[in-house]
Amino acid sequence: EADIYQTPRYLVIGTGKKITLECSQTMGHDKMYWYQQDPGMELHLIHYSYGVNSTEKGDLSSESTVSRIRTEHFPLTLESARPSHTSQYLCASSPRDPGGGSPLHFGNGTRLTVT
Amino acid sequence: DQQVKQNSPSLSVQEGRISILNCDYTNSMFDYFLWYKKYPAEGPTFLISISSIKDKNEDGRFTVFLNKSAKHLSLHIVPSQPGDSAVYFCAAAAGNKLTFGGGTRVLVKP
Repeated sequence: EADIYQTPRYLVIGTGKKITLECSQTMGHDKMYWYQQDPGMELHLIHYSYGVNSTEKGDLSSESTVSRIRTEHFPLTLESARPSHTSQYLCASSPRDPGGGSPLHFGNGTRLTVT
Repeated sequence: DQQVKQNSPSLSVQEGRISILNCDYTNSMFDYFLWYKKYPAEGPTFLISISSIKDKNEDGRFTVFLNKSAKHLSLHIVPSQPGDSAVYFCAAAAGNKLTFGGGTRVLVKP
């Protein structure tokens, strides 16, 4: 079973602050993903990566940015947090594309509140 | 445009009875379908999947049925247990993308 870790679990921060949400996985998966979920709503893909130095934007437009310098690490950064960024952010990884039947393994998420 | 829809936001069922969760999709390019279970303050956990070339897949108490012509799939949980109380997400995969439905909250009453 994949181990994927997200920190912090909860973050309350003021408007205008720069934040980085951490995500690390220990299974050597090439594919990594960031999803955003508002309460009671579907998960929306905001970023994904095929491997080191590869990042793509997802279906939902996001002001966040990501980087993939190491296989195991896929941090998400917000340069200037706003209340509209309040949401849960879920990181996931998989060894292959989900279209090939490979399920995504999720971390426990970071619940971000911007005041 | 929501490509994967779960029209029932919640479901309440008695312990020991069957839970049936439904999911509809619009994109005929989806070739794999998955169900995830999510507890509060945790990430989704993979439950079961089905390829578009099959119409049924079973794993213990969980069975997923796929009706391609109707673009509909369902998850059956039998017998339902109190620990099954969670939010269940349907997801559909095409290539490198996984698209999720809005979830159905299941409450299993003892």
